[in-house]
Amino acid sequence: AQSVTQPDIHITVSEGASLELRCNYSYGATPYLFWYVQSPGQGLQLLLKYFSGDTLVQGIKGFEAEFKRSQSSFNLRKPSVHWSDAAEYFCAVGASGTYKYIFGTGTRLKVLA
Amino acid sequence: EAGVAQSPRYKIIEKRQSVAFWCNPISGHATLYWYQQILGQGPKLLIQFQNNGVVDDSQLPKDRFSAERLKGVDSTLKIQPAKLEDSAVYLCASSLEVGTSSYNEQFFGPGTRLTVL
Repeated sequence: AQSVTQPDIHITVSEGASLELRCNYSYGATPYLFWYVQSPGQGLQLLLKYFSGDTLVQGIKGFEAEFKRSQSSFNLRKPSVHWSDAAEYFCAVGASGTYKYIFGTGTRLKVLA
Repeated sequence: EAGVAQSPRYKIIEKRQSVAFWCNPISGHATLYWYQQILGQGPKLLIQFQNNGVVDDSQLPKDRFSAERLKGVDSTLKIQPAKLEDSAVYLCASSLEVGTSSYNEQFFGPGTRLTVL
């Protein structure tokens, strides 16, 4: 069965610093991978997605993610974090055929001024 | 383009009471999802509709939860009777019809925060 692991529950970075959020997945075939962001009291907003092709994916708000099949990872990165990036970030894997999403437990990002 | 609408945004009830949530998906989206997000966890799919038919309800606690999507548009999720452990955010999402050649993105509503006392 597919699963998603986000090892870091909380991450704190200073504004302007770089960011990497980790995501590892378990899935037998080529997965569909997603990163969503959730601000307090808000629904989930899609940052980026990977279906196939180029393993480096660009998203909104300056985020990017790299799919590494050998490591079963899909880590999210941003070169310079802004205070408005403080939120919770969810990685998800989508199963082909059923189109179900399996979400990780999330990483809460805190940004220091 | 209007997004996914949900109401109410917040609800507080006592255990053993009943509650209902409403969702209006993006116009033209055939597939609708209800998720439960318990504090500190990622969203968990409860039920998936395509038009007005159920595609997957394997994780829906059917002894107390029910959902319907009449006419393939709006949907309601009901809990009766509620338990303390039902306290969570209930998210609705929609997407274009699944089963096409492309994997369709899910668009999420703001959620309903349920507190069961």
